Amino acid sequence: DIQMTQSPSSLSASVGDRVTITCRASQSISSYLNWYQQKPGKAPKLLIYAASSLQSGVPSRFSGSGSGTDFTLTISSLQPEDFATYYCQQSYSTAVTFGPGTKVDIK
Amino acid sequence: EVQLVESGGGLVQPGGSLRLSCAASGFTFSSYAMHWVRQAPGKGLEYVSAISSNGGSTYYANSVKGRFTISRDNSKNTLYLQMGSLRAEDMAVYYCARDLLGGSGSLTPKVFQHWGQGTLVTVSS
Repeated sequence: DIQMTQSPSSLSASVGDRVTITCRASQSISSYLNWYQQKPGKAPKLLIYAASSLQSGVPSRFSGSGSGTDFTLTISSLQPEDFATYYCQQSYSTAVTFGPGTKVDIK
Repeated sequence: EVQLVESGGGLVQPGGSLRLSCAASGFTFSSYAMHWVRQAPGKGLEYVSAISSNGGSTYYANSVKGRFTISRDNSKNTLYLQMGSLRAEDMAVYYCARDLLGGSGSLTPKVFQHWGQGTLVTVSS
């Protein structure tokens, strides 16, 4: 299976900060990379698909980039509602795998 | 509005069985691949199983292969996960999810656009 790693595993940030989360695949996955946001007790929410396509209804402060093995999720100006855990997911392989998550909390 | 509502979770003894259901509404259920994703308490997301729009193709994670069976009834707009030989490590919240794009007849693109609220499966004696 393709292994997904994320860094950092957690971060503390302030409202208005620019936040960057990195996701790395154990082999090339082209642009088959998706990002989800999950708040405690809630289902995950799709933010970005195909590495850089913004899901409808998601604020434009979220953006994604990358291809091959290295990907980035950027939040340009962190808002109070963005404090959550973020997961990357590869959809290149039939055996879908998720990254371990990055928890973003309040500094 | 797309809605996915899971049911069927609960407490089961190790070695026992349980059937989860996911009732879908607000879209043409028969056009979309459907998926099950689980999350153990305090842990990350794990992909469990998938089924194509017409039920002709299925996928199982190695961790559940031979013990779980995914199925769907397009006439009832309902997805199922039959779970058997349950183990402590199967304890999790189980989410059903709808794919981003419909009409492919395959398991792709495996982008989870809509999720249910989840149903908790507890495996304990």
